[in-house]
Amino acid sequence: QLVLTQSPSASASLGASVKLTCTLSSGHSNYAITWHQQQPEKGPRYLMKLNSDGSHSKGDGIPDRFSGSSSGAERYLIISSLQSEDEADYYCQTWGTGIHVFGTGTKVTVL
Amino acid sequence: EVQLLESGGGLVQPGGSLRLSCAASGFTFSSYAMSWVRQAPGKGLEWVSVISGSGSSTYHADSVKGRFTISRDNSKNTLYLQMNSLRAEDTAVFYCAKGHSSGWNDAIDYWGQGTLVTVSS
Repeated sequence: QLVLTQSPSASASLGASVKLTCTLSSGHSNYAITWHQQQPEKGPRYLMKLNSDGSHSKGDGIPDRFSGSSSGAERYLIISSLQSEDEADYYCQTWGTGIHVFGTGTKVTVL
Repeated sequence: EVQLLESGGGLVQPGGSLRLSCAASGFTFSSYAMSWVRQAPGKGLEWVSVISGSGSSTYHADSVKGRFTISRDNSKNTLYLQMNSLRAEDTAVFYCAKGHSSGWNDAIDYWGQGTLVTVSS
């Protein structure tokens, strides 16, 4: 079964970096994912598509502070130089045979 | 500029029906798959349905299979979601989302602003 696992929360200080993890279920370690950001009271926004080899393509206007990497079944979103507007929920998403799947989301708090 | 504008949400009684629409602009609509994603109050994102660019392939989540139907009119640049036999647990903001390519099996790369569906008596 295709499942994405995310930690419920993460925090870091203003100007610091934070690394979010999205873990693919067993047997799906070669899958690409996407990262989406949802700021409070707003709709989601596409950040990037991240492949198993770590290559990624970002959405329009996404700052260079956002980057991605991969290792085995884990997909990472790294946010550098944290800004107050980065405080949001972050969801990973993937797709399989006839389904799309979202992770449960990670809430990022900027201290 | 890609724009996705949902409409058709509102209050409906349990067992009732509703049809959502999503008007798309700023890209060649028929060349991209489209999805519906929902978010219940205070909850995370839940994928609902996807349709390929041509409309030949459609898939639905188990939670809505047999009750919801996704479709598209490429001549009108419009995506639809017909929702029947609505339940209280279908209450959510419904988002229209654009796929990264024409196939159903690819990323979502743009989102609409959402439309609220409330199922209550």
